[in-house]
Amino acid sequence: GENVEQHPSTLSVQEGDSAVIKCTYSDSASNYFPWYKQELGKRPQLIIDIRSNVGEKKDQRIAVTLNKTAKHFSLHITETQPEDSAVYFCAASIQKDSSYKLIFGSGTRLLVRP
Amino acid sequence: SAVISQKPSRDICQRGTSLTIQCQVDSQVTMMFWYRQQPGQSLTLIATANQGSEATYESGFVIDKFPISRPNLTFSTLTVSNMSPEDSSIYLCSVPSGGQTQYFGPGTRLLVL
Repeated sequence: GENVEQHPSTLSVQEGDSAVIKCTYSDSASNYFPWYKQELGKRPQLIIDIRSNVGEKKDQRIAVTLNKTAKHFSLHITETQPEDSAVYFCAASIQKDSSYKLIFGSGTRLLVRP
Repeated sequence: SAVISQKPSRDICQRGTSLTIQCQVDSQVTMMFWYRQQPGQSLTLIATANQGSEATYESGFVIDKFPISRPNLTFSTLTVSNMSPEDSSIYLCSVPSGGQTQYFGPGTRLLVL
């Protein structure tokens, strides 16, 4: 069935350390994998995404890696800052007839300790 | 990315009543998506709304409970019908941009008493 598993559910790191969040998807046809950051009381904000023809993508302190064979993708945040504290969601696209939809992981609550 | 607005931003409703949530986009889009986010939970897709056709509902969601309108390419409404406390959630619309990328509206926070 359609499923995206996300780990860990909570993550606490010291400011300046790195944080890694991992997701696994079930549909081998998925070809698009976005990551969203949701601060308390705010809407989910797209922070980075990756398509299946690419193995890694970086944007300043954020990077995403994709292993299509293992159906794994991960978010890496380096030099974490207190403002990185939020809930992060991964997602995978599922083609549906002529349309598509996103299936979201369960979320990771990241706390960056000053 | 598109500018997306939702009305109302929040509401407190009595059980048994209905609430209609509006989603407005500043550009024309073929698809609009409606999600539910229960307290402390992830985002669950309710339905996909296409202009000129019936909305496509996900497993566990039915049109009688969540009727959707899509009168044009910039607007959609989601109605939460015959509400119960279990319907207390954040309801978000989203629109695609540049392929499969989705951007979310600010959400409607609903509390049912």
